Parts: sequence; C-alpha cells; structure tokens
Amino acid sequence: ETGVTQTPRHLVMGMTNKKSLKCEQHLGHNAMYWYKQSAKKPLELMFVYNFKEQTENNSVPSRFSPECPNSSHLFLHLHTLQPEDSALYLCASSRLWREGGGELFFGEGSRLTVL
Amino acid sequence: GENVEQHPSTLSVQEGDSAVIKCTYSDSASNYFPWYKQELGKRPQLIIDIRSNVGEKKDQRIAVTLNKTAKHFSLHITETQPEDSAVYFCAASIDDMRFGAGTRLTVKP
Repeated sequence: ETGVTQTPRHLVMGMTNKKSLKCEQHLGHNAMYWYKQSAKKPLELMFVYNFKEQTENNSVPSRFSPECPNSSHLFLHLHTLQPEDSALYLCASSRLWREGGGELFFGEGSRLTVL
Repeated sequence: GENVEQHPSTLSVQEGDSAVIKCTYSDSASNYFPWYKQELGKRPQLIIDIRSNVGEKKDQRIAVTLNKTAKHFSLHITETQPEDSAVYFCAASIDDMRFGAGTRLTVKP
C-alpha cells in the first residue's frame, strides 16, 4: 500500500456515457498527476495539479476533464470517449512539483475500456 | 518539452547474468532521473534515482549511471533473479516527469 488509492479499478463504458475516476492520497503530498498508460507506449502525462491548481494540461482532449477539490483528491471526468481512449489511467502524487519534485507514488490504476 | 528514449524494449537474460537498460533525454536542464519497476498488474514503483550532480549511484544489485554531457543514463542490474522480471521505466524531470517507453525484462531460471 503506497497511500494512493484509485477507484474504480476497472471501468467499461460506452462512447456516450459519463463516468468519473477518483484518486485519493494519504501522504500529505502537494502535487497530483494523471498519467495514461497504453501498451508499448511511454507513460503519458495528462494533467498536473500543484496545491490544487492545475499547472499542466498536456494537450489532452476536452472529453477528459480533471478536478482537484483539495490536495488529497483528484478526479478525472470522462465524457464521450473513443475506443482509443481505452487504457490504464494512473494517478500519482509527489511531495513537490518543481525542482525535480522527487518520487512519484502511483495508485494501482483504473483500467478503462471504451466500447 | 523533454523527450526520453529507452532501449531495448525487451531484454531476456539468464538468472545470474547482468542486465543493462539505457535511456537518453533531450533537455539538458533535466536534473532528476528515476527508474521505476512495474510488475505485471501492479503499480510502477521507484527502485533507484539519481540527480544531475551525481555520476553514479548503487543500491545492492542495482546501479544507475548518468552522463550529463551525452545526456544518457543507464540502469544496471547484477546477479539477476527471476523476481527481477518486470517492465522498467526510466524518466527525466525538470518539473514534470517524462517517461521512456519501458523495457520488459525477463529473467530465465
């Protein structure tokens, strides 16, 4: 247990559905991240939040909408997704964002399948 | 932005042999270089990291070397064991962590 919890672990949705992924960290970290992991591709950084403020949106389509109500919680709202969005979505946190912020602590991931 | 290349994509070694994974990065301002291990169906976990003011770091059977001039860094695993089998990711960071595509290491008993 690394202190980063993601729910749900598995999600199947149709292209017209709306769903949300949730991430919670109990480590007292100030930065939280969403990464997308697809087969045989690098981990793709999607969003970064530092002290609840979004600092990076890595050219992610608007059908992915992040929300960070406080430093411990991070959501990824999903709407009108495409089959190519099927992937493992990993949440991570770190103590700091800048200055080579140090170790990322990952959650177990949410395996998303878009039909 | 930062671009990280990782090689090889797959690596198979005999138990007891050494394994070397190499990464290159594009942004000379990157100052933090971690390595993560991801076992099948599990989360990536940090195994070793190095900062730009250090050339080499060792932790038991694992070592990382950094060549800032050439902008490359390597992971060395000695005396490999079957439980070392996993996907290994390198990363480079100034602010955000940018990852390589991963190396699937298989250690044959």
